[in-house]
Amino acid sequence: ETGVTQTPRHLVMGMTNKKSLKCEQHLGHNAMYWYKQSAKKPLELMFVYNFKEQTENNSVPSRFSPECPNSSHLFLHLHTLQPEDSALYLCASSQEWLGTEAFFGQGTRLTVV
Amino acid sequence: QKEVEQNSGPLSVPEGAIASLNCTYSDRGSQSFFWYRQYSGKSPELIMSIYSNGDKEDGRFTAQLNKASQYVSLLIRDSQPSDSATYLCAVKGGPGGNEKLTFGTGTRLTIIP
Repeated sequence: ETGVTQTPRHLVMGMTNKKSLKCEQHLGHNAMYWYKQSAKKPLELMFVYNFKEQTENNSVPSRFSPECPNSSHLFLHLHTLQPEDSALYLCASSQEWLGTEAFFGQGTRLTVV
Repeated sequence: QKEVEQNSGPLSVPEGAIASLNCTYSDRGSQSFFWYRQYSGKSPELIMSIYSNGDKEDGRFTAQLNKASQYVSLLIRDSQPSDSATYLCAVKGGPGGNEKLTFGTGTRLTIIP
């Protein structure tokens, strides 16, 4: 356990569904991140929040909508996804934005059918 | 040119031998370098960080950095079957440059008993 908890661990959803991924960190960190990991591709940074404020949006389609109500919680709201969005979605946190060490959650394996 | 390049493998090493994993990066201003280990179906786990030229040892692991050649490596001595995993190289730039943590695609390592 790294102190970063993600739920659910697995999710299968249809293209018309709406679902949310949740991430919680117990490390007292100020920055939280969403990454996407697809097969044979590098980890892709999607969103960064620093002290609850979004500081980075890496040209992510609007069907992915992040929410950060406080420094400990991060959500990724999903709607009208495409099959190519199927991937492992990883949440991470670090002491501060651009912090040197990022700690990852276990990830949510998402399958869009 | 990819920002962080790794040989995808698989790299097969006999148990007890030294496993050598290599990584090159394109941003000459990069200042922080990390090795993450990712078991199949699990999240990345930070195992080594290195910030200055030379070697850094931690148990069976040694990270080597050569900024002039833009090259970072990870050596695993006395390889064990439990070392079988994908190893991700991550690079972070300095102020004014690419300060995001950029990952390579990873090298899959298999230790053969």
